[in-house]
Amino acid sequence: DTGVSQDPRHKITKRGQNVTFRCDPISEHNRLYWYRQTLGQGPEFLTYFQNEAQLEKSRLLSDRFSAERPKGSFSTLEIQRTEQGDSAMYLCASSLAGQGLAGGLGTQYFGPGTRLLVL
Amino acid sequence: AQSVTQLGSHVSVSEGALVLLRCNYSSSVPPYLFWYVQYPNQGLQLLLKYTSAATLVKGINGFEAEFKKSETSFHLTKPSAHMSDAAEYFCAVSDRYNNDMRFGAGTRLTVKP
Repeated sequence: DTGVSQDPRHKITKRGQNVTFRCDPISEHNRLYWYRQTLGQGPEFLTYFQNEAQLEKSRLLSDRFSAERPKGSFSTLEIQRTEQGDSAMYLCASSLAGQGLAGGLGTQYFGPGTRLLVL
Repeated sequence: AQSVTQLGSHVSVSEGALVLLRCNYSSSVPPYLFWYVQYPNQGLQLLLKYTSAATLVKGINGFEAEFKKSETSFHLTKPSAHMSDAAEYFCAVSDRYNNDMRFGAGTRLTVKP
């Protein structure tokens, strides 16, 4: 068990550029979550996947944000046309949940995060 | 919607003193409650969780928390603070079927020698 990994750990970009972050979950985990954490605040839920399916995306911050998990393993979070307000830590977490919604909430294990700075 | 409120954005204790970090929750359904710790420039690490079993939950590093439904609270305690406990602590709530976990704003714990 190597834990949840995220890449890159730090990203500096100019306003208007697109950025993509990658998350590799714990290998046997079927759920993957993305959060945003701004300075002095707790993580804010963005979206989550069960296997390949994106089951919740209404909390993505705008249509500039999108996420994929094409093969049910790693996931990417893309921000298009970045704005200075997008500067934050982006956290990924994974968990193992039972089949279907009645499977219950597995403990979420977090990665180290990607810190984004938009200039 | 569920939510948590952490009372006190900063708590300072002396090494060896009791640690008490406060968390109150709001939920219309039976809650699942969590405490996570975050060290600088790192992700969150689970300290403990309440999932409707025993109301007194023991976690890692000597921390424990008690679920009090009548007070809608889930305060985190540790009998004796250690310098290594200095970090940011987050309380979070979810329900059994909703994967939308809501976090509090966090409490920064400082431990003085």
